[in-house]
Amino acid sequence: SAVISQKPSRDICQRGTSLTIQCQVDSQVTMMFWYRQQPGQSLTLIATANQGSEATYESGFVIDKFPISRPNLTFSTLTVSNMSPEDSSIYLCSQDRGLGDTQYFGPGTRLTVL
Amino acid sequence: DAKTTQPPSMDCAEGRAANLPCNHSTISGNEYVYWYRQIHSQGPQYIIHGLKNNETNEMASLIITEDRKSSTLILPHATLRDTAVYYCIVRADKLIFGTGTRLQVFP
Repeated sequence: SAVISQKPSRDICQRGTSLTIQCQVDSQVTMMFWYRQQPGQSLTLIATANQGSEATYESGFVIDKFPISRPNLTFSTLTVSNMSPEDSSIYLCSQDRGLGDTQYFGPGTRLTVL
Repeated sequence: DAKTTQPPSMDCAEGRAANLPCNHSTISGNEYVYWYRQIHSQGPQYIIHGLKNNETNEMASLIITEDRKSSTLILPHATLRDTAVYYCIVRADKLIFGTGTRLQVFP
């Protein structure tokens, strides 16, 4: 199985600030994704991180709020901008090589916004 | 992506087989059925996936009906550590999670 690491593992932030979450995978992959899991809820897909081009966002998520970078095939970042308490969630990255492949998830970043 | 329907919760006695059903009546021909589980707030753990044939690995078996409109995940000998939320997902190009089934394994 793939090894995916995320930094930080958790953070407590003040309202109005921004946090950048890093995701590193141990091998080159085609697809990387970012998810959010709000307290007591299921996972919601934020966007697909595309290597060398702009991310593809799901309905309800915008680039200004959640800018994503993917400079190469093994690394991606998600920034949560101008945070409010409603952004308190677990943010997870995942990766796979495409349809039919196994998609693996990182351990998540637990964000609390005060 | 096709929608899935799962019971919100199930119980299972330790050592017995846990059979988790999933309906996906609008599945398309190129969509796979994936199963994941999540223990507490850890990252989802991959269990198994299949297209139309039944699949088995060291964790579980996946039984897909011939018309592909439903499937069953089987944990052959459930343990307390199998207590988790189990997600059945029909995937085209991305994984879209539903609400899952909360499986409680009791002694």
